Amino acid sequence: EAGVAQSPRYKIIEKRQSVAFWCNPISGHATLYWYQQILGQGPKLLIQFQNNGVVDDSQLPKDRFSAERLKGVDSTLKIQPAKLEDSAVYLCASSYGDRTYGELFFGEGSRLTVL
Amino acid sequence: GDSVTQMEGPVTLSEEAFLTINCTYTATGYPSLFWYVQYPGEGLQLLLKATKADDKGSNKGFEATYRKETTSFHLEKGSVQVSDSAVYFCARLTGGGNKLTFGTGTQLKVEL
Repeated sequence: EAGVAQSPRYKIIEKRQSVAFWCNPISGHATLYWYQQILGQGPKLLIQFQNNGVVDDSQLPKDRFSAERLKGVDSTLKIQPAKLEDSAVYLCASSYGDRTYGELFFGEGSRLTVL
Repeated sequence: GDSVTQMEGPVTLSEEAFLTINCTYTATGYPSLFWYVQYPGEGLQLLLKATKADDKGSNKGFEATYRKETTSFHLEKGSVQVSDSAVYFCARLTGGGNKLTFGTGTQLKVEL
């Protein structure tokens, strides 16, 4: 079974530029998550989708971050314009069904460096 | 708010040593509790879980017991190996059971 796929693995940009990350969850997983993991901290949930609807985006900085999940499958997370403090690893995860039960499957992450 | 607190790392041990990584949670209800592990260059993966008080989760020689009286879920292993070197995250369910909140992670280094 293929795991959660993310790209790109690494991205370096200058502040005020834009960046987009892509995620393809495990086939059949209804719920998709984007987490932000800043160095030395635990992952923080940015947004949670169930199929193509948003369940929780309370911690998404909506002035600069946006995310979509078209057709309830893959998803993109965009940052525009980027700030220095956005440097982090962006993790995508998926889970089967409409409730988490805590069992998430993570991709390898996309590491963003903002200069 | 709902949170978990785990001991800071790095924790450095010799192979075959006993491991304990402490984790405590805020006592809002009785959340399901988890340990996730992140090996170098890989994504996080579920190591073990416990869904109610006194439950013991176990996997790959690791164990953790859900202690309601001390609001703790400490991770233990009797004899660590070099291959156990990784970052370990304690986590709890919040938001009505549909949101996973992570601790800050504890890096474990096991040396020969």
